[in-house]
Amino acid sequence: NAGVMQNPRHLVRRRGQEARLRCSPMKGHSHVYWYRQLPEEGLKFMVYLQKENIIDESGMPKERFSAEFPKEGPSILRIQQVVRGDSAAYFCASSLSPGTRNTIYFGEGSWLTVV
Amino acid sequence: EDQVTQSPEALRLQEGESSSLNCSYTVSGLRGLFWYRQDPGKGPEFLFTLYSAGEEKEKERLKATLTKKESFLHITAPKPEDSATYLCAVNTGTASKLTFGTGTRLQVTL
Repeated sequence: NAGVMQNPRHLVRRRGQEARLRCSPMKGHSHVYWYRQLPEEGLKFMVYLQKENIIDESGMPKERFSAEFPKEGPSILRIQQVVRGDSAAYFCASSLSPGTRNTIYFGEGSWLTVV
Repeated sequence: EDQVTQSPEALRLQEGESSSLNCSYTVSGLRGLFWYRQDPGKGPEFLFTLYSAGEEKEKERLKATLTKKESFLHITAPKPEDSATYLCAVNTGTASKLTFGTGTRLQVTL
């Protein structure tokens, strides 16, 4: 499968714990995006990264959330000290380049449940 | 602020009963309108991108059209396997940021 790979698919965390979500983009893609889908809401943009750079983090909550895309390895979305309101589906997407004529492909998502 | 509104929220069709889904948008400068299909528990699956008013694209039983204020996803003679949530999104700036509507949940019955 050469698509966008996310893991874990499902994650349960207790309040106050940390959650780490991983994303490997499609082969050949170097642009990664993270979106969040809250229950009964639409997908919301969080952050856009290229290798070793955060390009646009305008959708990221100011506290507890961080993202990285290292030179080697997957992109990581990290949520510290999780709260119940963080329960959502987190989708990673990738594209070949940032141009508007390039399709953004999504992964299958990571479902975070905070108990 | 960019806004995307999809209607109806839910639609139930019988197999073979054609219909259209609507996506209306209010944006500062459209650079692309995207349609995705999402099945329960899965990620959005890309269907179409439209860039300018008057553009149309087709794929099997689906046809997407675009005007200056809205887009339609026409479904011709749907089958039960077309049941899914259909998402519309707009890109008005960098390719990074898509603004999504809340989707139309389509159910096609025998």
